[in-house]
Amino acid sequence: KQEVTQIPAALSVPEGENLVLNCSFTDSAIYNLQWFRQDPGKGLTSLLLIQSSQREQTSGRLNASLDKSSGRSTLYIAASQPGDSATYLCAVGAAGNKLTFGGGTRVLVKP
Amino acid sequence: GAVVSQHPSRVICKSGTSVKIECRSLDFQATTMFWYRQFPKQSLMLMATSNEGSKATYEQGVEKDKFLINHASLTLSTLTVTSAHPEDSSFYICSARNWVGTGNTSPLHFGNGTRLTVT
Repeated sequence: KQEVTQIPAALSVPEGENLVLNCSFTDSAIYNLQWFRQDPGKGLTSLLLIQSSQREQTSGRLNASLDKSSGRSTLYIAASQPGDSATYLCAVGAAGNKLTFGGGTRVLVKP
Repeated sequence: GAVVSQHPSRVICKSGTSVKIECRSLDFQATTMFWYRQFPKQSLMLMATSNEGSKATYEQGVEKDKFLINHASLTLSTLTVTSAHPEDSSFYICSARNWVGTGNTSPLHFGNGTRLTVT
């Protein structure tokens, strides 16, 4: 059974610092890995999707890497802004389009 | 971009009543939709996979008679929480993927969720 872990559970940084969010998974037989953002009481916004054959994806200030062999993914957010404050979830995709979610990292960017 | 609409966003109901939640894909067809539940400060847990024109597939531990799923069209799936109890209070989120010509390459798109409170 796939297990997804996100460390740290919470993170607080001053504005302008780079953010590094970690995600690890136990079963390397994945289809893809997706990073999401969730604001309090809201649904999920897809940030980046990395296919199992890829090693990274970039979108603006966001960069996500994937190392299947070690079961890890890292989300980098450059030059953080207060608007980046949210919970970030990683989810591993398997057969049948099922996603297994990590517990999330709550990020607070202080102005 | 692909949009998934979920309604209602909030609902308060009395114990013993039933509540229906709708999930619509607005600009694409979704043969498969997914229903998740999220308890406070916890991550999302997949409840069931909703298949257009056939029965839903439920995850282990999810009562299919309590959480009725209907996927009557390529753009609409509904989740009905029957005989709701306070312990059913949670955040329910649906998701869908646009399958046309993309296979596994397209991301899952999520609705904005429904906050259910059972009193």
